[in-house]
Amino acid sequence: EIVLTQSPATLSLSPGERATLSCRASQSVSSYLAWYQQKPGQAPRLLIYDASNRATGIPARFSGSGSGTDFTLTISSLEPEDFAIYYCQQRDSWPGTFGQGTKVEIK
Amino acid sequence: EVQLLESGGGLVQPGGSLRLSCAASGFSSSSHAMSWVRQAPGKGLEWVSLISGSNDGTYYADSVKGRFTISRDNSKNTLYLQVNSLRADDTAVYYCAKGRTSWYLTYFDFWGQGTLVTVSS
Repeated sequence: EIVLTQSPATLSLSPGERATLSCRASQSVSSYLAWYQQKPGQAPRLLIYDASNRATGIPARFSGSGSGTDFTLTISSLEPEDFAIYYCQQRDSWPGTFGQGTKVEIK
Repeated sequence: EVQLLESGGGLVQPGGSLRLSCAASGFSSSSHAMSWVRQAPGKGLEWVSLISGSNDGTYYADSVKGRFTISRDNSKNTLYLQVNSLRADDTAVYYCAKGRTSWYLTYFDFWGQGTLVTVSS
């Protein structure tokens, strides 16, 4: 099974700052990677799919990049509602594994 | 509007069983892969089981294979997860999730609010 490793585990930033989150796969997943956001007590929400495509209704400040084994989620300017946990997920091969998450917290 | 409403969770003793349900509305769940994803308290997401929309093929994580069974009733637009031989490490919020496609390799574009399963004596 493909292992996804996210870094850092925690990112402490202030509103308005840029956030850069990383997801590394144990083997190539081509561009078959998604990013989800989860807030406390809520279900995950799909943000980005196929590495760089924003899901419906997702603000333009969220962007994804990468291919192969290295992927990045960038939040260009953090809004108060963006402080949450972010997970990556691959769909290149069975099972479609998730990363362990990166928490973006208010500094 | 797409909605997924889970039910059936609760407190159960080790070795016990439950049937989780997920009532879908706003779309035809038979045309999509549908999945159960769980999250243990304070932990990350763990994919549990999936039923494809293309041929109703079923897929399971190794940790639940032989104990959990996924199914659906297209006439009721409802997904199920029969969970047997429950263990303490099955304690989690179980989310129902809609696949973006019918294929088993997919992302999940809508999620329910989850149902809590607690396994404890």
